[in-house]
Amino acid sequence: DTAVSQTPKYLVTQMGNDKSIKCEQNLGHDTMYWYKQDSKKFLKIMFSYNNKELIINETVPNRFSPKSPDKAHLNLHINSLELGDSAVYFCASSQDVGANSPLHFGNGTRLTVT
Amino acid sequence: AQSVTQLDSQVPVFEEAPVELRCNYSSSVSVYLFWYVQYPNQGLQLLLKYLSGSTLVKGINGFEAEFNKSQTSFHLRKPSVHISDTAEYFCAVSPTGFQKLVFGTGTRLLVSP
Repeated sequence: DTAVSQTPKYLVTQMGNDKSIKCEQNLGHDTMYWYKQDSKKFLKIMFSYNNKELIINETVPNRFSPKSPDKAHLNLHINSLELGDSAVYFCASSQDVGANSPLHFGNGTRLTVT
Repeated sequence: AQSVTQLDSQVPVFEEAPVELRCNYSSSVSVYLFWYVQYPNQGLQLLLKYLSGSTLVKGINGFEAEFNKSQTSFHLRKPSVHISDTAEYFCAVSPTGFQKLVFGTGTRLLVSP
């Protein structure tokens, strides 16, 4: 009964490939996010969706395309993978877009591009 | 824009000793403040948050933090740490009007026997 689950846990792929990461939350939250954690543990927001609508897009390359089929799911598709995309990607959700709504994080997807 | 500074990248401490993890922030607008903890190979969990009211906030696992507006700080403290507190701790801020967390670079707390 994991609250925010993402798959796969590990993803190893070669440069130039296209890959997807899936995220689902069963908390009934309206808002979902993708964060990227680099090798120095720095966390930076990539996207935020509220009720399936994109509300934050933080200057992420066009190769990254989020898709929210419903408010419980937010998937991340990455085209033409590059070495610099190697990182841990975290999905998160919150009750709503209010700043006082804490984030609930998934366990992360470690992406390694070779 | 907001920014968060965690000056200590790593803090080693012995079990049952007190610990303080420092966090300073800058923002041109009002913010809410948060501390999250990340255990190995896991996502982040909320430890505590400051929204308004009393500047001393208590969180889970015996942690507390004090908001100091004049010093723009939100340091995290625990009077007696356990081995199980070994983890990465992230301070974060969000503008009050809209959820957009900005994280610090994290402090690794290493508790040894």
